[in-house]
Amino acid sequence: SSELTQDPAVSVALGQTVRITCQGDSLRTYYASWYLQKPGQAPLLVIYGKNNRPSGIPDRFSGSSSGNTASLTITGAQAEDEADYYCNSRDSSGNHVVFGGGTKLTVL
Amino acid sequence: QVQLVQSGAEVKQPGASVMVSCKGSRYTFTGYTIHWVRQAPGQGLEWMGWIKPNSGDTKYAQKFQGRVTMTRDTSISTAYMELSRLRSDDTAIYYCASDPLDYFDYWGQGTLVTVSS
Repeated sequence: SSELTQDPAVSVALGQTVRITCQGDSLRTYYASWYLQKPGQAPLLVIYGKNNRPSGIPDRFSGSSSGNTASLTITGAQAEDEADYYCNSRDSSGNHVVFGGGTKLTVL
Repeated sequence: QVQLVQSGAEVKQPGASVMVSCKGSRYTFTGYTIHWVRQAPGQGLEWMGWIKPNSGDTKYAQKFQGRVTMTRDTSISTAYMELSRLRSDDTAIYYCASDPLDYFDYWGQGTLVTVSS
């Protein structure tokens, strides 16, 4: 399959830990990257590779992978983390890119 | 800081074509793949294809094969995405993004393309 599957919505209490997952066959071969998107803004890269954060991304964001599932974990979620989160990777052929459907994170 | 600056909003009639540009600055334009991604209103991100600025090689999502053309002009560090035979469901924000190695590190600000008669 060339698809990536994400839960449509997840919520977390302020200061608690939340995990957002992304499932797909291609993730057995390729790393997922993670992006957050706030309303009216372009996506922003938060995790790439095995578990790398671009400069300026807080260390409460981390990534992991097991089998066909990649995960983005936010440890100590903040109000400003409320956003849509997308994963992407190459597809199983390695020639194209696929995005997950996105997860809307609500911080309560 | 790397910048990708896209052209302005467009309004097109069904059946027309649109070309969106993406100008890179403050980095070596030929060193990174440029991807095009679109987002319909209220929807998720959809990958359209990529172009390698150094070679001009392209790869398109099957959904857009035959309708999309990605080009570049290295002399002005600009990539282009042309979508033809526009339909109302092509109404979306179109983004370019740079890719150093299988991730999209910088994104353009987005270009709204509205298809309406």
